[in-house]
Amino acid sequence: KAGVTQTPRYLIKTRGQQVTLSCSPISGHRSVSWYQQTPGQGLQFLFEYFSETQRNKGNFPGRFSGRQFSNSRSEMNVSTLELGDSALYLCASSFTGTPYEQYFGPGTRLTVT
Amino acid sequence: EDKVVQSPLSLVVHEGDTVTLNCSYEVTNFRSLLWYKQEKKAPTFLFMLTSSGIEKKSGRLSSILDKKELSSILNITATQTGDSAIYLCAALIQGAQKLVFGQGTRLTINP
Repeated sequence: KAGVTQTPRYLIKTRGQQVTLSCSPISGHRSVSWYQQTPGQGLQFLFEYFSETQRNKGNFPGRFSGRQFSNSRSEMNVSTLELGDSALYLCASSFTGTPYEQYFGPGTRLTVT
Repeated sequence: EDKVVQSPLSLVVHEGDTVTLNCSYEVTNFRSLLWYKQEKKAPTFLFMLTSSGIEKKSGRLSSILDKKELSSILNITATQTGDSAIYLCAALIQGAQKLVFGQGTRLTINP
């Protein structure tokens, strides 16, 4: 069974631009969660989607948004990028959305210059 | 605000040593405490602890939760270079499908 895949793996953007990251969950998994990991803040929860609906949201500004498609693939969008958005963005999938059953993807390393 | 704190943030030991990593939490509606190992990018699940005082064990790794002290420890005995990684703990919030993570402990095992 293929694991969680994320594209692109690396990305360099300029301040003010926007970016879209993609996550393909394990086949059959309906829940996708997104996390931001930085050296200073650690791993922080962004949001979770289940069957195309956002069920939970972390404490991030509205510049961070996401969506999930009918095939469970999910995208995360960050608008008006700031230097502080430089981070590793991880997505995790599970069948029911139960966090301890999550499988993490390899992440997308975003650098904002 | 829900908070999880890990200590130490960084640890360097020699192969064969035993290490203890600490995790404390202050969250509302605590349900469980989870430990992950992150080697390259993707964290992999190690343990989930829900009941206080019951040790979970997997090979050389073990962990225990103390709900009175709002903390957990992860022990690794007879460390190997392959144990070098970032170890993350996270609190699972009751009723919410989300985890609150600590900053992680970067463990380096030198041969």
